[in-house]
Amino acid sequence: NAGVTQTPKFQVLKTGQSMTLQCAQDMNHEYMSWYRQDPGMGLRLIHYSVGAGITDQGEVPNGYNVSRSTTEDFPLRLLSAAPSQTSVYFCASRIRDSSYEQYFGPGTRLTVT
Amino acid sequence: GESVGLHLPTLSVQEGDNSIINCAYSNSASDYFIWYKQESGKGPQFIIDIRSNMDKRQGQRVTVLLNKTVKHLSLQIAATQPGDSAVYFCAENFGNEKLTFGTGTRLTIIP
Repeated sequence: NAGVTQTPKFQVLKTGQSMTLQCAQDMNHEYMSWYRQDPGMGLRLIHYSVGAGITDQGEVPNGYNVSRSTTEDFPLRLLSAAPSQTSVYFCASRIRDSSYEQYFGPGTRLTVT
Repeated sequence: GESVGLHLPTLSVQEGDNSIINCAYSNSASDYFIWYKQESGKGPQFIIDIRSNMDKRQGQRVTVLLNKTVKHLSLQIAATQPGDSAVYFCAENFGNEKLTFGTGTRLTIIP
């Protein structure tokens, strides 16, 4: 199994541009989520999904959209990039049971100039 | 509001000694806690978890202690090795689908 994969690893955007961060998992996990990690801070939840066709907002959803058309994929869309969205983005997945053991991807480092 | 925080942002430990990383939480409704390890340039990796109906849980070289009276969580790493150098996060869940993460403690191993 490849686990959780994320592309791209690095990205530089200009203010106002849009892009999609890709996330895929091959473990048949129902639950997937997106976090952002800023320097000196913990991870903050952006959006999450408990299954295909179901998404919900996390702690910091503004400026981001998600969709979950398949179990495997959970892309994160930046609608109009802002410098405040400069961060490292992590995707995670887990089985939706009583354990919250999440498997994280390697991250995407995004810089918005 | 509710928060998950850490007493110390950095911790330096001699190789071979035991490490203790602390975490405070303020939401008494939290029923599940997890410790993650994050090495430089990588995503967080699950270490160990504990439910609120437990006081202690042991894994391989790691022990998590939960003191609900003072809302305190700790991670003990036995015989610390160079490979233990990382940032350690605690996270809590209080009955929904979301995890709330603390800000992390950087553990540095002194050879």
